[in-house]
Amino acid sequence: DAGVIQSPRHEVTEMGQEVTLRCKPISGHDYLFWYRQTMMRGLELLIYFNNNVPIDDSGMPEDRFSAKMPNASFSTLKIQPSEPRDSAVYFCASSAYTGTGVTGELFFGEGSRLTVL
Amino acid sequence: SQKIEQNSEALNIQEGKTATLTCNYTNYSPAYLQWYRQDPGRGPVFLLLIRENEKEKRKERLKVTFDTTLKQSLFHITASQPADSATYLCALVYQAGTALIFGKGTTLSVSS
Repeated sequence: DAGVIQSPRHEVTEMGQEVTLRCKPISGHDYLFWYRQTMMRGLELLIYFNNNVPIDDSGMPEDRFSAKMPNASFSTLKIQPSEPRDSAVYFCASSAYTGTGVTGELFFGEGSRLTVL
Repeated sequence: SQKIEQNSEALNIQEGKTATLTCNYTNYSPAYLQWYRQDPGRGPVFLLLIRENEKEKRKERLKVTFDTTLKQSLFHITASQPADSATYLCALVYQAGTALIFGKGTTLSVSS
């Protein structure tokens, strides 16, 4: 398997523009997570899905952020309108249901580095 | 709210020594925790999972301990090598859900 695939790897945009980040999880994984990483705040959980259904979006910072998972092989994270403080590396990760009550290991993509000018 | 703290942002050691990284948590009683390694410009990579009843777990030169009384996990790398230089993150399950929340990480530098 190719692992978790994210695109774009780098995105530079201007304040006010819409940004869409994309993620393809590992085939067969039941969970998909979106994280944001900055030097100041570390790796923050934004939202996660189980079987394409959003379970917890309490980490989404504002209504400007939205995430969808229309099918098991694709998810998007959208920021509209973008602001300079949204600049960060956004990671997507997926994991498989273990059936034991223990979260399986997370497989991360390489991240999307977003710079909002 | 839950809080995860990793002892220091940076740790510098010499090759061959044992590196010890600390992860402390408060307001929480996780049943298990995980450790990840992150190289610059890359996503985190899973290393080890330890359950609350395991106390200690080993994998090659890595050892993790889990003290639920102290609310602390220690991560050891024995006979460290320059290739071990990276940022190491600990992670706990978020509340009763299945998502992980991460500490900010400790950046380890091993000099030859």
